[in-house]
Amino acid sequence: KQEVTQIPAALSVPEGENLVLNCSFTDSAIYNLQWFRQDPGKGLTSLLLIQSSQREQTSGRLNASLDKSSGRSTLYIAASQPGDSATYLCAALLVSPLVFGKGTRLSVIA
Amino acid sequence: DVKVTQSSRYLVKRTGEKVFLECVQDMDHENMFWYRQDPGLGLRLIYFSYDVKMKEKGDIPEGYSVSREKKERFSLILESASTNQTSMYLCASLQSSGANVLTFGAGSRLTVL
Repeated sequence: KQEVTQIPAALSVPEGENLVLNCSFTDSAIYNLQWFRQDPGKGLTSLLLIQSSQREQTSGRLNASLDKSSGRSTLYIAASQPGDSATYLCAALLVSPLVFGKGTRLSVIA
Repeated sequence: DVKVTQSSRYLVKRTGEKVFLECVQDMDHENMFWYRQDPGLGLRLIYFSYDVKMKEKGDIPEGYSVSREKKERFSLILESASTNQTSMYLCASLQSSGANVLTFGAGSRLTVL
């Protein structure tokens, strides 16, 4: 059974710092991997989706990479801002439904 | 953009009541999902549906049922609410082909007293 792990569970950084969030999965035969953001008490917002044939996707200050052979994905956030504070979750699609990690709670301190 | 709408953002119910949580998506997606989210436990899948009138149990279906009479609507039913069903409930939809982006609703916070 696919398992998705996110480490660390929480992270606090000063504003302006570049940071990396990690996601690992046990079954490398994934179809795609998706990163989400969740603000407190809200639903999940899709940030980036990487298809299995791709190595990375970029959106603004966000860059997500995928290494299927090692079972890892990273979300890179450049020049972090207080507005980036949220919980970030990754999810792997092998066959529907997606399998989620428990998320990394990010705090960016002004 | 795909829109997933959950009818109630906040509900307060009493133990034993029947509760309906409604979810509607507007992009003709085949797949719809109900999750619950609790601190420290992450997202847990309750039920999902691949098509109209089809349903599959997720990881924690006990105490819940679902209905999908129309493609755009997926309802979660708590036949007799209990306090341990106090949680955030999240609905999502997914197209079977193409980019397969999972899209969530805003969530429904249910409190059972």
